[in-house]
Amino acid sequence: DIQMTQSPSSLSASVGDRVTLTCRASQSISTYLNWYQQKPGKAPKLLIYGASSLQSGVPSRFSGSGSGTDFTLTITSLQPEDFATYYCQQSYSTPMYTFGQGTKLEIK
Amino acid sequence: QVQLQESGPGLVKPSQTLSLTCTVSGGSITSVRYYWNWIRQPAGKGLQWIGRVYNSGRNTNHNPSLESRVTLSVDTTKNQFFLNVSSVTAADTAVYYCASGFFDASGYFHFDYWGQGTLVTVSS
Repeated sequence: DIQMTQSPSSLSASVGDRVTLTCRASQSISTYLNWYQQKPGKAPKLLIYGASSLQSGVPSRFSGSGSGTDFTLTITSLQPEDFATYYCQQSYSTPMYTFGQGTKLEIK
Repeated sequence: QVQLQESGPGLVKPSQTLSLTCTVSGGSITSVRYYWNWIRQPAGKGLQWIGRVYNSGRNTNHNPSLESRVTLSVDTTKNQFFLNVSSVTAADTAVYYCASGFFDASGYFHFDYWGQGTLVTVSS
């Protein structure tokens, strides 16, 4: 199985900050990488697919980059509603899909 | 817009079978580019993909870590798909989500619509 490792596990930031979350794959996955946002008690929501494509309706302050094994999710100008847990997920190894363990973004 | 809704018992006894239904609305379960998935999340933990079923149900795949305990099926007449997990233990206690998986024209696959999730507790 392809293992996905996210860092940091948690992050404290303030409204208006720019933050970068990292996801690393245990082997090259090209750009078959998706990012999701999950708020407490809610289902995950797709933010980014194909490493850098913004899902329809997602604010442009979210962006993704990377290829191979190293990927980042960047949020510019954090808004109060952005404090949540973020998961990366690989779709290279179809149909065995795996998620990272998550990064919890908290208000400082 | 596609909507998904899970339903099923919230409490299952150890060694019994967990059975869940996902009802799809706003789209057809026979859509060519869509696979229908189950994903679970134990309390306070991350997400685990359980398995997927395609179209009429002739094509299914599941996470090998669940061994042969998982059965996936579809009822196209009701626009529903189903999950059975046999011989459950406390380790199967989790929130279970159904989700649509979409293959776009570039070959990228992602879970674009999710149900709200249903908590299943395994306990005697």
